[in-house]
Amino acid sequence: DQQVKQNSPSLSVQEGRISILNCDYTNSMFDYFLWYKKYPAEGPTFLISISSIKDKNEDGRFTVFLNKSAKHLSLHIVPSQPGDSAVYFCAASETNYGGATNKLIFGTGTLLAVQP
Amino acid sequence: KAGVTQTPRYLIKTRGQQVTLSCSPISGHRSVSWYQQTPGQGLQFLFEYFSETQRNKGNFPGRFSGRQFSNSRSEMNVSTLELGDSALYLCASSRRGLNTEAFFGQGTRLTVV
Repeated sequence: DQQVKQNSPSLSVQEGRISILNCDYTNSMFDYFLWYKKYPAEGPTFLISISSIKDKNEDGRFTVFLNKSAKHLSLHIVPSQPGDSAVYFCAASETNYGGATNKLIFGTGTLLAVQP
Repeated sequence: KAGVTQTPRYLIKTRGQQVTLSCSPISGHRSVSWYQQTPGQGLQFLFEYFSETQRNKGNFPGRFSGRQFSNSRSEMNVSTLELGDSALYLCASSRRGLNTEAFFGQGTRLTVV
């Protein structure tokens, strides 16, 4: 059962335009969401996160939007640059105050290609 | 400051053997998690250690085990290797683990032949 889904395996965008990567989740207990960027043969690199008490978080060119009622989040990259070309993973976690956890549930990733 | 270090970077083993992978977290980070990445399944959580205790475990068979030492370094072990264990194994560290950002190492590419 895939609790975090990234339905677009790939996305191609022109340099300078906006890239929008989408992610859906099914577990309403998730309360923290993260986006990671990954190059081949490297570990994922943390990009940006958002708590479920917010609906938007912005960091430079990256903005994450969270729509809890739709169980949907998106990552906007503006403007897109060729160096942004990579696989983007969305991840979610559930706070377990009883034992705490850093268990991340990842989506399957979206390959972003930014064309010069 | 130094990042998460995983050793070795690449490993080739034969079926039936066992393997031990190592992860040194970022200084000051007490939580270490392990993930398996395969083309078909994406990134899947194996287990998490905090202060030498396993706090959480994913849905993997008992052949997969781990431990954490007092200096927060962690090892994971896979016994009786199967072809399907071929994957990129990633380690992530975070300061406390509770809703804090996890920083990943470059991974160990394990190939089972």
